[in-house]
Amino acid sequence: GPKVLQIPSHQIIDMGQMVTLNCDPVSNHLYFYWYKQILGQQMEFLVNFYNGKVMEKSKLFKDQFSVERPDGSYFTLKIQPTALEDSAVYFCASSSGQGAPNERLFFGHGTKLSVL
Amino acid sequence: QQKVQQSPESLTVSEGAMASLNCTFSDGTSNNFRWYRQHSAKGLEVLVSIFSDGEKEEGRFTAHLNRANLHVSLHIREPQPSDSAVYLCAVSYGNEKITFGAGTKLTIKP
Repeated sequence: GPKVLQIPSHQIIDMGQMVTLNCDPVSNHLYFYWYKQILGQQMEFLVNFYNGKVMEKSKLFKDQFSVERPDGSYFTLKIQPTALEDSAVYFCASSSGQGAPNERLFFGHGTKLSVL
Repeated sequence: QQKVQQSPESLTVSEGAMASLNCTFSDGTSNNFRWYRQHSAKGLEVLVSIFSDGEKEEGRFTAHLNRANLHVSLHIREPQPSDSAVYLCAVSYGNEKITFGAGTKLTIKP
């Protein structure tokens, strides 16, 4: 079935460095999402993205965060600079453009970010 | 790698009738199962979490887990049109390596 791929599966960086999380969404999907889950806590929405623009973002989507999908390549989440509290698993998801947002979401397996 | 599959892909149920959603998983060591629903473009609302075989009820939502059969289900009692949403099954071992199903789109007809 359709798959969302996230690269890498685990990233370890020093506090203050920049990190880019990559997501290869399902082809022909138009809506893209990032979610954050701190270990042991609930999944929380960060941002959704459509047609080259951020449509909605939560308060967790700090000024240090940015998303883009240049020329239909990876959908990326960049954090610059990183902070200790950014350590979490970040999930990417995509859905088709028809009737979104109430369409089936396809999730990646997550990227575990460890900020030291 | 863990595979989580949900069925049906979409379901239409009349208001007040029981709605039943299914989720199968491939890793029998999994011990953490959650049902979420996505109402809008952002929020994932957790409905019920279950960690051992049997039944767990949270209000009108009941999860049934049978790990031997690699199956967890969600039953919604007396659904309302406002329950129309995409329902997601999430499976993990502990809180690591969560794998989501693709969701079931539930529509409740008045």
